[in-house]
Amino acid sequence: KAGVTQTPRYLIKTRGQQVTLSCSPISGHRSVSWYQQTPGQGLQFLFEYFSETQRNKGNFPGRFSGRQFSNSRSEMNVSTLELGDSALYLCASSLGAGRTDTQYFGPGTRLTVL
Amino acid sequence: ELKVEQNPLFLSMQEGKNYTIYCNYSTTSDRLYWYRQDPGKSLESLFVLLSNGAVKQEGRLMASLDTKARLSTLHITAAVHDLSATYFCAGLDGGATNKLIFGTGTLLAVQP
Repeated sequence: KAGVTQTPRYLIKTRGQQVTLSCSPISGHRSVSWYQQTPGQGLQFLFEYFSETQRNKGNFPGRFSGRQFSNSRSEMNVSTLELGDSALYLCASSLGAGRTDTQYFGPGTRLTVL
Repeated sequence: ELKVEQNPLFLSMQEGKNYTIYCNYSTTSDRLYWYRQDPGKSLESLFVLLSNGAVKQEGRLMASLDTKARLSTLHITAAVHDLSATYFCAGLDGGATNKLIFGTGTLLAVQP
């Protein structure tokens, strides 16, 4: 069974631009979560989606947004990029929204903002 | 919100030695996870600990959970170079959510 896939794997943008990252969950998984990893702040929760609905959002500014499609694929968007948005963005999928469902992480998208 | 503290931040070990990574958490969490991350790579799930006294072992790694002390440990036995990586513990935040709260990570370097 294929794992979680994320595209693109690497991205370089300049300040002020916007970016869209994509995540395809494991087949049959309906829940997708996003995390940001930086050396300074560590791993921080961004969003959680289940059945196209955002269930939870982390403490990030409104420039960070996301959505989930009917096929469970998810995208996150960051507008007006800042240098501090440079990070590894990880997507995780789980079978359902239950707390017993293990989250499996994708390879990540490394975003560099110049 | 759940808070997770992990120590040490950095651990340099010699091959063949034993050591323990500690993970303290602030409030009740119904499960505790341990992940491994190699440089530039994603997170690999190692263990899920569900209840007080839970102990799981895989190779040279053993994880345990003490919910009364709000403490989980990851014990490394007879370390080998292949274990060099960053190890994270994480708990599930409260409420109806799958939000994981991660510790700061422990960078383990096993020296030959």
